[in-house]
Amino acid sequence: DAGVIQSPRHEVTEMGQEVTLRCKPISGHNSLFWYRQTMMRGLELLIYFNNNVPIDDSGMPEDRFSAKMPNASFSTLKIQPSEPRDSAVYFCASSSGTGFGYTFGSGTRLTVV
Amino acid sequence: GESVGLHLPTLSVQEGDNSIINCAYSNSASDYFIWYKQESGKGPQFIIDIRSNMDKRQGQRVTVLLNKTVKHLSLQIAATQPGDSAVYFCAETLNTGGFKTIFGAGTRLFVKA
Repeated sequence: DAGVIQSPRHEVTEMGQEVTLRCKPISGHNSLFWYRQTMMRGLELLIYFNNNVPIDDSGMPEDRFSAKMPNASFSTLKIQPSEPRDSAVYFCASSSGTGFGYTFGSGTRLTVV
Repeated sequence: GESVGLHLPTLSVQEGDNSIINCAYSNSASDYFIWYKQESGKGPQFIIDIRSNMDKRQGQRVTVLLNKTVKHLSLQIAATQPGDSAVYFCAETLNTGGFKTIFGAGTRLFVKA
């Protein structure tokens, strides 16, 4: 298994532009998580899905952020419009249940200028 | 993936010595705990976990200890190697109707050869 796959690895965009981050979880895992990591705030849970259904999105910072999981093998995190304070590394992780360890992707480093 | 805080607690150990990394967790209702290792440019990697009905669990060269009375978790690494240099995160999971995993701030481990 190739693990959790995220794309792109790096994204540089201008303030106000739409940004879409993508994630392919490990096949057979039914829970998917989006985290954001910054120097100031560490690792923050943004949202998680169970069986493609969003369960807890209380960590999504603003209405500018949205996440979807149209099927078991794909999820997106969208920021529209992006702002410089959104600059961070965004991680996707999956697990075989919400009481088990996660497998993280390599992350997307987002820079908004 | 290396965007962790500049002011992380840091532990410096000599190669071959044992390392102990400590973590205070926040919620007495948390029932599942995990240690993750994050190397520069990578996502966090699962090391070992422990459930709240246990107070000790051993893996290969690693041991996790849980003290629920004082809400304290520790990770012991035996015979520390240069490849162990990384940031280590503890994470707690609690059942809030759904499951929610919260990460600690992390500890940076330096191994001196």
